[in-house]
Amino acid sequence: DAGITQSPRHKVTETGTPVTLRCHQTENHRYMYWYRQDPGHGLRLIHYSYGVKDTDKGEVSDGYSVSRSKTEDFLLTLESATSSQTSVYFCAISKAGGTDTQYFGPGTRLTVL
Amino acid sequence: TQLLEQSPQFLSIQEGENLTVYCNSSSVFSSLQWYRQEPGEGPVLLVTVVTGGEVKKLKRLTFQFGDARKDSSLHITAAQPGDTGLYLCAATDRGSTLGRLYFGRGTQLTVWP
Repeated sequence: DAGITQSPRHKVTETGTPVTLRCHQTENHRYMYWYRQDPGHGLRLIHYSYGVKDTDKGEVSDGYSVSRSKTEDFLLTLESATSSQTSVYFCAISKAGGTDTQYFGPGTRLTVL
Repeated sequence: TQLLEQSPQFLSIQEGENLTVYCNSSSVFSSLQWYRQEPGEGPVLLVTVVTGGEVKKLKRLTFQFGDARKDSSLHITAAQPGDTGLYLCAATDRGSTLGRLYFGRGTQLTVWP
């Protein structure tokens, strides 16, 4: 299994509070991705990174920001959580981007009350 | 608008039956991938198809990429309870070097003993 961990695995928070999710990899892969998974929508890309300090938006980036200061860590921040951001969040890594295999982490279940 | 349409959304069958899951789009893709996801875990890549008309087999699973690279199918022969899970198709843009994946909504398969 690819060495990907996500923390926390579960979190319950209140509307308006900031939340940061962490993705940590031990594979030294260049590309990292954050997805959210919701019933009826499948997985949708939030943000991605193609190197340290190199990030870009995905298809559902509103309300989210990311940072990558080290190869191994990719942080996803909800500046002011809303109930619509209740979801399961997955991090993925890829060595070469393009059509290269993406390996997914175990996910973080976030509930915003 | 969903880029990839999967059907059926739900499938419940008895052990030993055959089934086919479809993934369709009006867009042309450079590659298409099939993932399987179990409850509480991230998706795991099953196969990547790249060439139009390509057929790949993984034990009892047969994957086909359409000639025009717009659609794909997954056929399972003699399904077993261990095949139960969420099957997701995903595709990358033609020429994409960043590996942005677009997912279908998934097919939830349940195989009863």
